[in-house]
Amino acid sequence: DAGVTQSPTHLIKTRGQQVTLRCSPKSGHDTVSWYQQALGQGPQFIFQYYEEEERQRGNFPDRFSGHQFPNYSSELNVNALLLGDSALYLCASSLPRLDEQYFGPGTRLTVT
Amino acid sequence: GESVGLHLPTLSVQEGDNSIINCAYSNSASDYFIWYKQESGKGPQFIIDIRSNMDKRQGQRVTVLLNKTVKHLSLQIAATQPGDSAVYFCAEKEGFQKLVFGTGTRLLVSP
Repeated sequence: DAGVTQSPTHLIKTRGQQVTLRCSPKSGHDTVSWYQQALGQGPQFIFQYYEEEERQRGNFPDRFSGHQFPNYSSELNVNALLLGDSALYLCASSLPRLDEQYFGPGTRLTVT
Repeated sequence: GESVGLHLPTLSVQEGDNSIINCAYSNSASDYFIWYKQESGKGPQFIIDIRSNMDKRQGQRVTVLLNKTVKHLSLQIAATQPGDSAVYFCAEKEGFQKLVFGTGTRLLVSP
């Protein structure tokens, strides 16, 4: 049973560029949440997708956007990258009526 | 805003000891809590969860205690092993399934 997968593993971008991160949920899961984890901090909720729509959003600017596909996979897009966007980006999947969320290994984004 | 915090940033124990990691939460309306273990370079790994209608829940070598009166959560690990060394996060659910995490406690287990 495949767990949550994310790609790429690592990414280096320049300030001002745009980035797209990808996530495939755990088999059978249809809800995907994205989190940002700065070094030494706990994950911060960005948003959640269910039925291809954003269902809940955290305190992140509009530069952060997402998408969910019919196969439940998801993308996180960040525009106009800032140095402060450097972090580990985590994807978590779950079932809508169960609260357990399972995390992927993350994508380490470095903005220079 | 609402937050979840931890009392101890680092906990050092000897192999075989029992470990207790504490967490304070501030949202009295939260009805679901979860503990994660995160090893270096990896994503958080689910350990155990508990709903607000329970005071205690046990898993394999782990127990979570919930005290709603003082808004306190703890994770007990029995017979701690070197493989338990990691950062542990507690989190509370807010809204649909938004998890609010604290900053974490690092557990160091010495052989």
